[in-house]
Amino acid sequence: EAGVTQFPSHSVIEKGQTVTLRCDPISGHDNLYWYRRVMGKEIKFLLHFVKESKQDESGMPNNRFLAERTGGTYSTLKVQPAELEDSGVYFCASSQEGVNTEAFFGQGTRLTVV
Amino acid sequence: GDSVTQMEGPVTLSEEAFLTINCTYTATGYPSLFWYVQYPGEGLQLLLKATKADDKGSNKGFEATYRKETTSFHLEKGSVQVSDSAVYFCALSDRWGAAGNKLTFGGGTRVLVKP
Repeated sequence: EAGVTQFPSHSVIEKGQTVTLRCDPISGHDNLYWYRRVMGKEIKFLLHFVKESKQDESGMPNNRFLAERTGGTYSTLKVQPAELEDSGVYFCASSQEGVNTEAFFGQGTRLTVV
Repeated sequence: GDSVTQMEGPVTLSEEAFLTINCTYTATGYPSLFWYVQYPGEGLQLLLKATKADDKGSNKGFEATYRKETTSFHLEKGSVQVSDSAVYFCALSDRWGAAGNKLTFGGGTRVLVKP
């Protein structure tokens, strides 16, 4: 069974440009999460989807970040326009519906804004 | 809000040495506690967990005990191998038992085991 897949694995963009990260969760997982690790610090929660609905987006840093999950399958996270402080590793995780379900993580996308 | 503090690395050990990574937490509720591991080139993997006080999580020779009185969840392994070289993250969830599982992570500890 395929795990959580993230694209691209690395991205280098200039300040002011737009970047879109993609996450393909494990098939059948209703819960999808985005997290971010900036400059080797702690991994911070960004948002949580249940199917196509945003359950909790309290961790989104500002309105330059837009997450979508159309159809409740894969998700995209768009940063527009990118700033230097957006550099970091973006992780996606998914879990099955229900309580006490384990979250499975992707390998992450390393974003570098120059 | 909730927070997790873990010892900074890197931690460099020789094979068969004893490993301890300290982790303490602050939470308003009664959280569940986790250790995740990230091996080179891979995603985060759940290593072990504990959902109530005095529970001991264990996996792959690693152990951690949920200590409510000291708000700690220290990770230990008695004899490390080169293959244990990775970054270890302590985390908590105050939503265990509710739908979804939002995690609060510590900063990660890089461990390097030399032959």
